[in-house]
Amino acid sequence: QQQVRQSPQSLTVWEGETAILNCSYENSAFDYFPWYQQFPGEGPALLISILSVSDKKEDGRFTIFFNKREKKLSLHIADSQPGDSATYFCAASGASGSWQLIFGSGTQLTVMP
Amino acid sequence: GGIITQTPKFLIGQEGQKLTLKCQQNFNHDTMYWYRQDSGKGLRLIYYSITENDLQKGDLSEGYDASREKKSSFSLTVTSAQKNEMAVFLCASSLDRNTEVFFGKGTRLTVV
Repeated sequence: QQQVRQSPQSLTVWEGETAILNCSYENSAFDYFPWYQQFPGEGPALLISILSVSDKKEDGRFTIFFNKREKKLSLHIADSQPGDSATYFCAASGASGSWQLIFGSGTQLTVMP
Repeated sequence: GGIITQTPKFLIGQEGQKLTLKCQQNFNHDTMYWYRQDSGKGLRLIYYSITENDLQKGDLSEGYDASREKKSSFSLTVTSAQKNEMAVFLCASSLDRNTEVFFGKGTRLTVV
């Protein structure tokens, strides 16, 4: 049972466009949603995160939109750059005091110059 | 800042072999994790430890053992390597729940 789902599996955009990466979850008890960015040969690194009490979080070109009722969130990357080409993981935690951070399967983003 | 060091970077084992992966962190974090990353499947939690000598099973613990010898180190043992197994094992640490999790660069396992 996949608790965190991501779509699309891969996404290609042109430089300057906005990339939209989607995530949905099943457990309504999740309250913390980080997005991680991973480059080939590296471990994932935290990009931006949101708590379930908020519906939007911005950090520079990166914005998370969160819809608690629909159990969906999305990561918007504005003015995409070739250096943003990486795999992006949505994750969730907080259910019943659990320490587990549940990851989605990732979206591989390619930004064409 | 700190760093998570995983050794070895590459590990080739034989079917049935017992293999140990090591991890050190200098963040002084209480919590450490072992994740397995398979292509196209995201990261799955094997074991985690919220303090020295603590050990908690994740969803993927079967076939693995772990040991938190001291606050800064966390090791993972593959008890019997499966033929054609290929995955990246990621060690991570965090200060607390719902705080940033820092990852190492991984150990790439191949079983022949």
